[in-house]
Amino acid sequence: AQSVAQPEDQVNVAEGNPLTVKCTYSVSGNPYLFWYVQYPNRGLQFLLKYITGDNLVKGSYGFEAEFNKSQTSFHLKKPSALVSDSALYFCAVRDPASNTGKLIFGQGTTLQVKP
Amino acid sequence: AAGVIQSPRHLIKEKRETATLKCYPIPRHDTVYWYQQGPGQDPQFLISFYEKMQSDKGSIPDRFSAQQFSDYHSELNMSSLELGDSALYFCASSLRADTQYFGPGTRLTVL
Repeated sequence: AQSVAQPEDQVNVAEGNPLTVKCTYSVSGNPYLFWYVQYPNRGLQFLLKYITGDNLVKGSYGFEAEFNKSQTSFHLKKPSALVSDSALYFCAVRDPASNTGKLIFGQGTTLQVKP
Repeated sequence: AAGVIQSPRHLIKEKRETATLKCYPIPRHDTVYWYQQGPGQDPQFLISFYEKMQSDKGSIPDRFSAQQFSDYHSELNMSSLELGDSALYFCASSLRADTQYFGPGTRLTVL
């Protein structure tokens, strides 16, 4: 069965510093991986995805993620954090063998960026 | 750009009542998904529709039903509401099984 793990409930970083939000996955076959961000009382906003190709994926708002097949990881990164990046981040996986596209989410990581 | 529209945004119901949540997908998207997010939880897949036919089913209670109409909008019907049904309900849409774009959600409170 497919699963996603986000080992950190919360990540704290100072504004201007690089940030990393970790995600590991367990999927049979090639994974389709996604990152979404959720601001308070808002829906999930799509940040980026990995389907195939370059292991470094660039997304919205300066975020990027690195796909590492050997470590089964898909960590979200940003070179310089902003206070406005503070939000709840979800990693998700879709089974490429599934034609329905349903997503399985990790438990979420709260990112707190302090001025 | 047009986004996914959900209505109502907030809904308060009593136990054993019925609720109907509506979702209007992004134009030209043919697939709609419903997810439930409990307090402090990650979103859980409920059900999906592709071209007006149910395409997959997750952990959706028998008290819940859903459908997708000819204009591609979808409705989630919830009957005999229980306290535990209080949650954020998200609708997402996609073109086939491509990237899902989420609506703002409906916050359901059952008293």
